[in-house]
Amino acid sequence: EAQVTQNPRYLITVTGKKLTVTCSQNMNHEYMSWYRQDPGLGLRQIYYSMNVEVTDKGDVPEGYKVSRKEKRNFPLILESPSPNQTSLYFCASSLSGGERSYEQYFGPGTRLTVT
Amino acid sequence: GENVEQHPSTLSVQEGDSAVIKCTYSDSASNYFPWYKQELGKRPQLIIDIRSNVGEKKDQRIAVTLNKTAKHFSLHITETQPEDSAVYFCAASGTSYDKVIFGPGTSLSVIP
Repeated sequence: EAQVTQNPRYLITVTGKKLTVTCSQNMNHEYMSWYRQDPGLGLRQIYYSMNVEVTDKGDVPEGYKVSRKEKRNFPLILESPSPNQTSLYFCASSLSGGERSYEQYFGPGTRLTVT
Repeated sequence: GENVEQHPSTLSVQEGDSAVIKCTYSDSASNYFPWYKQELGKRPQLIIDIRSNVGEKKDQRIAVTLNKTAKHFSLHITETQPEDSAVYFCAASGTSYDKVIFGPGTSLSVIP
């Protein structure tokens, strides 16, 4: 079954404790992305990756790191989480066609609470 | 920076009526405009999309129109049903090397 998976689905942590949210897709998609969703603000892109070893900042990259060492995986790293990073996080993937963008397939979401 | 505005933020319609959601984008390089539906507690899923070389696209009860000159695009849902109740997001993007910008969402309620 074609899918995007994220782990963990729920996480409560404390300020400053490093954490990683994993994302994996089995559709051989080149493009992967991380979003955070907050009430009234919609989905805001944190980082995206056009292919292995190629990443770029989205609209809200501060406080986050990513890496793309393999095509299927795109982990999101919070080196020193703060309460303002409490949010619902979605990973997504899509085909990449150079000059064309395509439909994004979203993971199930990770609800993160930082106390 | 680039942004996408979306209106209204909430919309309530009677079952069977039509619903229209409008979005405006700022980046003239945008050429791909998808619409995603997010049911409560679920992930966003694509319902329809349109590219800049097309003015209108329809899929059963759902249609999207695009006015590139005015930089706005709209989602039209006809004969609404209770299962259409959800949050709808518009988005705009350019090439595969670009950011994707989402609107803030519209919460649609269809009253039986």
